[in-house]
Amino acid sequence: AQSVTQLGSHVSVSEGALVLLRCNYSSSVPPYLFWYVQYPNQGLQLLLKYTSAATLVKGINGFEAEFKKSETSFHLTKPSAHMSDAAEYFCAVSDPAGGSYIPTFGRGTSLIVHP
Amino acid sequence: DSGVTQTPKHLITATGQRVTLRCSPRSGDLSVYWYQQSLDQGLQFLIQYYNGEERAKGNILERFSAQQFPDLHSELNLSSLELGDSALYFCASSRTGGRVADTQYFGPGTRLTVL
Repeated sequence: AQSVTQLGSHVSVSEGALVLLRCNYSSSVPPYLFWYVQYPNQGLQLLLKYTSAATLVKGINGFEAEFKKSETSFHLTKPSAHMSDAAEYFCAVSDPAGGSYIPTFGRGTSLIVHP
Repeated sequence: DSGVTQTPKHLITATGQRVTLRCSPRSGDLSVYWYQQSLDQGLQFLIQYYNGEERAKGNILERFSAQQFPDLHSELNLSSLELGDSALYFCASSRTGGRVADTQYFGPGTRLTVL
């Protein structure tokens, strides 16, 4: 069974600082991995996804994530935080071996950006 | 704007009542997914329809049902409502039937409050 753990329900950074949001997954085979962002009062929007091509995945708004199989991790980073990055971030995993590609979502990490 | 529309935006009702949430997918998308987002459960997958037929089922209660119509819009019916059903309900759509790592496009959600 697939599952995903996001470490830290809240992460606080200063504007201009590095953003690091952690995600660890469990899956029986190399999975598909996703990061979504949810701005207040909006639906989720895909930031990036890993589908077994390059392990370093670049997404929108300057975000990127690296798939590390040995660590079963897919952490999200951005070199320099902007105030507009304040939002809820969700990591999700789908396990092709399970016969369905419906992703399982983590509990989310709220990113707080201080001026 | 994801191209997925959901109505109504807000819904306030009483326990024991029945409500219908509506979703129109992006133009050309054949799959519709329903999710429930609450503080205690996070984002939970309820059900998926593909081209009018049920494709996958998640943690959907028996009091809940859904359907997808020939024009591909979908409705989620919630009956015998309980206080615990208060949540954000998201609809998402994707191009295919979910057997590949399709990107899901989320609507803005319907906030249901059961009093």
